Amino acid sequence: RKEVEQDPGPFNVPEGATVAFNCTYSNSASQSFFWYRQDCRKEPKLLMSVYSSGNEDGRFTAQLNRASQYISLLIRDSKLSDSATYLCVVNAYSGAGSYQLTFGKGTKLSVIP
Amino acid sequence: DADVTQTPRNRITKTGKRIMLECSQTKGHDRMYWYRQDPGLGLRLIYYSFDVKDINKGEISDGYSVSRQAQAKFSLSLESAIPNQTALYFCATSDFRGREQYFGPGTRLTVT
Repeated sequence: RKEVEQDPGPFNVPEGATVAFNCTYSNSASQSFFWYRQDCRKEPKLLMSVYSSGNEDGRFTAQLNRASQYISLLIRDSKLSDSATYLCVVNAYSGAGSYQLTFGKGTKLSVIP
Repeated sequence: DADVTQTPRNRITKTGKRIMLECSQTKGHDRMYWYRQDPGLGLRLIYYSFDVKDINKGEISDGYSVSRQAQAKFSLSLESAIPNQTALYFCATSDFRGREQYFGPGTRLTVT
């Protein structure tokens, strides 16, 4: 089983739609969780962290279910500018005060006019 | 100015050539990483360094070597490039906890 799994998509949605991405991780010792955004041919950038209580940043909501080892990202009122690949990232403690990030392969979103 | 820079941004080279990709950062981070990204395969870790005297192999280190010349500089070398090393290469940095990584703009390498 891959360490971090995501549906690769692509998700093609109209402007204004709500879209949800899911991610599962295999390492139960994982400590922290993130969603990164990557535009075409650009570097990944942190979109938001994911907390056990769930967190919201404008139109974006991230949730974590530790028991199911499942992370989600919800985008409401999609904009054309949301078109990108969304990477699920899991951070596990690897000893000596160090953490190791594991990246999912990403889910591609295309928002259509 | 960008916090993490990579040179060159694009490079075309021939099979068998030696090539070096360079990364510099102004974030003051101790930790630096090299990844490659291929369509459908996501980001894969090549090497990482937790400080100037520490170098570690990642998931796919074969065919690559690295040098950490200073806290701010981390270079990736392909001693004898082969076509399946054609990819987008990213350098990244993080603080000592490694919880978030900051990426450079990438180097697009083509080996013919």
